[in-house]
Amino acid sequence: GAGVSQSPSNKVTEKGKDVELRCDPISGHTALYWYRQSLGQGLEFLIYFQGNSAPDKSGLPSDRFSAERTGGSVSTLTIQRTQQEDSAVYLCASSRRGGETGELFFGEGSRLTVL
Amino acid sequence: AQSVTQLGSHVSVSEGALVLLRCNYSSSVPPYLFWYVQYPNQGLQLLLKYTSAATLVKGINGFEAEFKKSETSFHLTKPSAHMSDAAEYFCAVSFQSGNTGKLIFGQGTTLQVKP
Repeated sequence: GAGVSQSPSNKVTEKGKDVELRCDPISGHTALYWYRQSLGQGLEFLIYFQGNSAPDKSGLPSDRFSAERTGGSVSTLTIQRTQQEDSAVYLCASSRRGGETGELFFGEGSRLTVL
Repeated sequence: AQSVTQLGSHVSVSEGALVLLRCNYSSSVPPYLFWYVQYPNQGLQLLLKYTSAATLVKGINGFEAEFKKSETSFHLTKPSAHMSDAAEYFCAVSFQSGNTGKLIFGQGTTLQVKP
């Protein structure tokens, strides 16, 4: 597609349930990032994938969060046993060659609400 | 710790007036600096970036920013605001050469443009 595609755009879940958020990056972009945007914390880096290298998971807030990227393209962010503080907009971004130019292309985000 | 501070969470200007959005960073090493814009219900879009070339950087939609090392600032300006400039603006920094996609964002400034 022309841009970064994320699904679902909105997700409402109950506390304790698991959720999966999907990101389809721009074709040809080797780097993929997940960020979280919340009222109290602003925009936070979560995880970064570059090609076949081990991902940089330094931003994941707890072990309930995990992400994978299959075939160097689509990525899934999984949150297990969701908590109310996980409510946020989860943004995916992609870029060429690890973002050396600093230009990330963001999707519209997946808004997660945990009741 | 490295951080980014945007002064003023909300800025209101009249159409045609000067826009000034402030950004300061803390770092002991030269950073890469960016301004992103987020229109309602859209993903973030890169406005401009500083990567150690010219200190005055011109971006899209008539915006520009000046890197001032002595003041650790990277303020965003536009001479004449348009109604279409109403959005949320994020200043961001990266301190990692080769992976400038791992960004630290400011809290954001919402720009309101009054007719």
